[in-house]
Amino acid sequence: GQQLNQSPQSMFIQEGEDVSMNCTSSSIFNTWLWYKQEPGEGPVLLIALYKAGELTSNGRLTAQFGITRKDSFLNISASIPSDVGIYFCAGQGEGAQKLVFGQGTRLTINP
Amino acid sequence: DGGITQSPKYLFRKEGQNVTLSCEQNLNHDAMYWYRQDPGQGLRLIYYSQIVNDFQKGDIAEGYSVSREKKESFPLTVTSAQKNPTAFYLCASSRRQGNSYEQYFGPGTRLTVT
Repeated sequence: GQQLNQSPQSMFIQEGEDVSMNCTSSSIFNTWLWYKQEPGEGPVLLIALYKAGELTSNGRLTAQFGITRKDSFLNISASIPSDVGIYFCAGQGEGAQKLVFGQGTRLTINP
Repeated sequence: DGGITQSPKYLFRKEGQNVTLSCEQNLNHDAMYWYRQDPGQGLRLIYYSQIVNDFQKGDIAEGYSVSREKKESFPLTVTSAQKNPTAFYLCASSRRQGNSYEQYFGPGTRLTVT
């Protein structure tokens, strides 16, 4: 089945630093979604991408749909303490009714 | 407010008992999903339903059952056949955005079986 490789698995950064994470797939996706999950809560949708090459921002977050349609990137600029959490990518293949999720990137920020 | 509700937030059961987790949405979404999350792990799909009275097995359906009698509700039963039921359970629903489905999640239910 389809698999997503999300990296890095964890990040430890200083407040104010920029963050980059990515997901790669073994197959082509039509949609890429990025979620953030805080401890004990459900994931919250941050950004949705629908076209290859698309670059979309949500505040300090920017995500890109790779032109090969097999990868996606999420960047966070000028990190703040409330950015702490686990970030998941998810992809959907053409005609698929299910999402495939990455394993998550755990972000820890030192003030 | 529109959203997805899961109840209860925490659930405790003895081994050998069946337990049903509630999921309700008032977003008028057609599709609903159940995921399981274990500590430090990603999300694994248990069951999903695209329309009322129809549902499909996900990747880890063994030991679970669902029903979809109403559009708004998609309860999950964790049966005694599930060998490792202790986990965080997440319900989601989706609308259709063009040819894509964006999934929105509830707050989750943490089930502990001893």
